[in-house]
Amino acid sequence: DAKTTQPTSMDCAEGRAANLPCNHSTISGNEYVYWYRQIHSQGPQYIIHGLKNNETNEMASLIITEDRKSSTLILPHATLRDTAVYYCIVRVKNTGNQFYFGTGTSLTVIP
Amino acid sequence: GAVVSQHPSRVICKSGTSVKIECRSLDFQATTMFWYRQFPKQSLMLMATSNEGSKATYEQGVEKDKFLINHASLTLSTLTVTSAHPEDSSFYICSAPTGKIGSPLHFGNGTRLTVT
Repeated sequence: DAKTTQPTSMDCAEGRAANLPCNHSTISGNEYVYWYRQIHSQGPQYIIHGLKNNETNEMASLIITEDRKSSTLILPHATLRDTAVYYCIVRVKNTGNQFYFGTGTSLTVIP
Repeated sequence: GAVVSQHPSRVICKSGTSVKIECRSLDFQATTMFWYRQFPKQSLMLMATSNEGSKATYEQGVEKDKFLINHASLTLSTLTVTSAHPEDSSFYICSAPTGKIGSPLHFGNGTRLTVT
């Protein structure tokens, strides 16, 4: 299984960019990287995903290194509502569509 | 966008009783759904994969007789916690893929189960 490693916690000043790193050094060539976040007592919310190229949507940007062994989720202008646990997930292709969650990064946006 | 609805959002039951949680895909069909459990301050743990028209697949260590899963239609999966005990108190979350290769999972808002 491709596992992911994320820092346990991070702080970010409101209005600044939040850069959340993720290591996935054993990722296979056809496995996607997904990012979700979970606000307390809610289901995980999808943010973005990618395979090789960098991706951007209305919520965030995803930067994947050329060797695909790591990625960074960027929230360009963090707000207090972005305080949540952020999960980086690599889909384990040979066991179907299941997502196995790691411990995630608890992001606190500070006023 | 794809929506997954979970019901109830919160339930309290007495020890020894059974509780059923429903998971519905509202605007797409899901031949597969996934059930997760989350204890306080911990990550989501995959419990089982629900398969429409066939038996569920359980993760190692999850008791199939305790957590009954039924996937009777392409839009509904149910998880029944049988003979509930206080240690079954947890946050239960379902999810479903839309079916396209590489597409993300869509999650319900979870069910908070408290067993007294």
